[in-house]
Amino acid sequence: SQKIEQNSEALNIQEGKTATLTCNYTNYSPAYLQWYRQDPGRGPVFLLLIRENEKEKRKERLKVTFDTTLKQSLFHITASQPADSATYLCALDGSSASKIIFGSGTRLSIRP
Amino acid sequence: DTAVSQTPKYLVTQMGNDKSIKCEQNLGHDTMYWYKQDSKKFLKIMFSYNNKELIINETVPNRFSPKSPDKAHLNLHINSLELGDSAVYFCASSRTATRQETQYFGPGTRLLVL
Repeated sequence: SQKIEQNSEALNIQEGKTATLTCNYTNYSPAYLQWYRQDPGRGPVFLLLIRENEKEKRKERLKVTFDTTLKQSLFHITASQPADSATYLCALDGSSASKIIFGSGTRLSIRP
Repeated sequence: DTAVSQTPKYLVTQMGNDKSIKCEQNLGHDTMYWYKQDSKKFLKIMFSYNNKELIINETVPNRFSPKSPDKAHLNLHINSLELGDSAVYFCASSRTATRQETQYFGPGTRLLVL
């Protein structure tokens, strides 16, 4: 069955450094991959979408890569700030229309 | 002008009771969803409606019954609540039901069954 793993439950890094989060998937060939941010007590908020034929996507300090050979996506936040502290979820399109499958998330903490 | 709103925000109730959660979106989207997020933060889809028609129905006990009176509203009714139903329930919407659509989430309803 389809499986998504975000291999760090929590990540703690120093302000100003680049945060790198990993999303791996198995038994699966998604056409799209999305990253969401979730703050405590709130719903997830969409950040970026990358298609299977795109290697990299950028938005301001965010960068996402998608390696369909490794079955992996990396999510980078450069020049990290304490305000970037949140849980980040990767999501893959499911086998049927409109269905998205979410990973369990990585809780990122940026210390000043 | 909240995009996706849910009521109530908190719901504390006794086992065996019946409760409803309401969701409304003002984005003009065709597709709406219910997700359950458990204590381990796993977000799992429960149902999806497209233009008031049910298109996704995951393996959910039939105590859960969604209703979509129009495409801007998707309500969730839960009968005979059990302890394991305690979770955060999120409503979401997307412009269409196609696979690459971004989903817009509500603030969540925190359900605690005692």
